[in-house]
Amino acid sequence: GAVVSQHPSWVICKSGTSVKIECRSLDFQATTMFWYRQFPKQSLMLMATSNEGSKATYEQGVEKDKFLINHASLTLSTLTVTSAHPEDSSFYICSASASGTGVNNEQFFGPGTRLTVL
Amino acid sequence: QKEVEQNSGPLSVPEGAIASLNCTYSDRGSQSFFWYRQYSGKSPELIMSIYSNGDKEDGRFTAQLNKASQYVSLLIRDSQPSDSATYLCAAPTGANNLFFGTGTRLTVIP
Repeated sequence: GAVVSQHPSWVICKSGTSVKIECRSLDFQATTMFWYRQFPKQSLMLMATSNEGSKATYEQGVEKDKFLINHASLTLSTLTVTSAHPEDSSFYICSASASGTGVNNEQFFGPGTRLTVL
Repeated sequence: QKEVEQNSGPLSVPEGAIASLNCTYSDRGSQSFFWYRQYSGKSPELIMSIYSNGDKEDGRFTAQLNKASQYVSLLIRDSQPSDSATYLCAAPTGANNLFFGTGTRLTVIP
């Protein structure tokens, strides 16, 4: 149980284009989903927290107009990187949490999406 | 002080030895703790959770929690080369979120 999928697993795009990444909880309802970014050999960096049906809460320094997050249902959240630039190239990872699946705050991670902006 | 602190390592142990990974946390009210394993180029994978003082064993893994001293550790017995990864300690915030440590990189030498 507690499986989270992400799509696509990797994407290469041209500078200035927008990229959408999907995160799905496959066998549970995710009341909260999280979006992280990780640069090579660095720690996980939380970008934003989203709850179903409400606006995402962004971490300090993360531009909400550049990283659009939609959590339209209890099983799907999307992250759109708008007008992507080479410095946005990174490993984007989502995680999901649900009350009732076990210990409070337990998060299950998707496999990640590697974004390369040319 | 960071909410969760780990020694970044690297920690190297020979195959078959016990690997000991440690983590301290600052919020005395934290009730649950998690250990994640992250292989290079992959996303983190939950391997252990613990929320009571004492030891919790799962196969070759043992998590230890000491709330009085505010530390949580992970022991890996009979370490295998496949255990080589970065291990992340995590503790909850008050906002249904987790603080992750920076991770300890473990290398098991054949």
